[in-house]
Amino acid sequence: DGGITQSPKYLFRKEGQNVTLSCEQNLNHDAMYWYRQDPGQGLRLIYYSQIVNDFQKGDIAEGYSVSREKKESFPLTVTSAQKNPTAFYLCASSIGTITEAFFGQGTRLTVV
Amino acid sequence: AQKITQTQPGMFVQEKEAVTLDCTYDTSDPSYGLFWYKQPSSGEMIFLIYQGSYDQQNATEGRYSLNFQKARKSANLVISASQLGDSAMYFCAMREGPDTGNQFYFGTGTSLTVIP
Repeated sequence: DGGITQSPKYLFRKEGQNVTLSCEQNLNHDAMYWYRQDPGQGLRLIYYSQIVNDFQKGDIAEGYSVSREKKESFPLTVTSAQKNPTAFYLCASSIGTITEAFFGQGTRLTVV
Repeated sequence: AQKITQTQPGMFVQEKEAVTLDCTYDTSDPSYGLFWYKQPSSGEMIFLIYQGSYDQQNATEGRYSLNFQKARKSANLVISASQLGDSAMYFCAMREGPDTGNQFYFGTGTSLTVIP
């Protein structure tokens, strides 16, 4: 089945450690996105990529980094520079210019 | 300025009744798409319905319809015959054209509770 897979579903890390969230899609979509969602809040864009080896910062990119070496994969690294990393992270992909985005199941990151 | 505004933090509806969730948007791009997503407590985002800026008719998908009023820049979601399983967060979103980066913008969401 085609879809977007995020792993792991739950992630715990100690403060000061970098952590990488995985996002893989087999939908052959060109565009991929990372969003952060805090409790009771909407989605805020961290980074997005419209093509392999290219990506742009979203509204809250500070403290995060991404790579897009393959069309299928768009991993997100939460660095120690991110002041408040505990949140729910959603990865999405889309095809075309004004089409819907498909989302993964999300990763809930807790930093202690 | 907010690209997407959802002014109803929470809504209640009786089972089998219809409910309207409000959404207004702001864009100067003539080409854009409007979307509604449902987020149950599990966290996944489920795509419900899409309306293109050039579409002449309101979009419908089963019990979901989108009341698109272009001049007012509103894209309200109507859920008919509410079911208990409709209880969830609902997000309105907009995607502008390629000249503005193809980004998706999301509202802050409306929490819908269906009462038996």
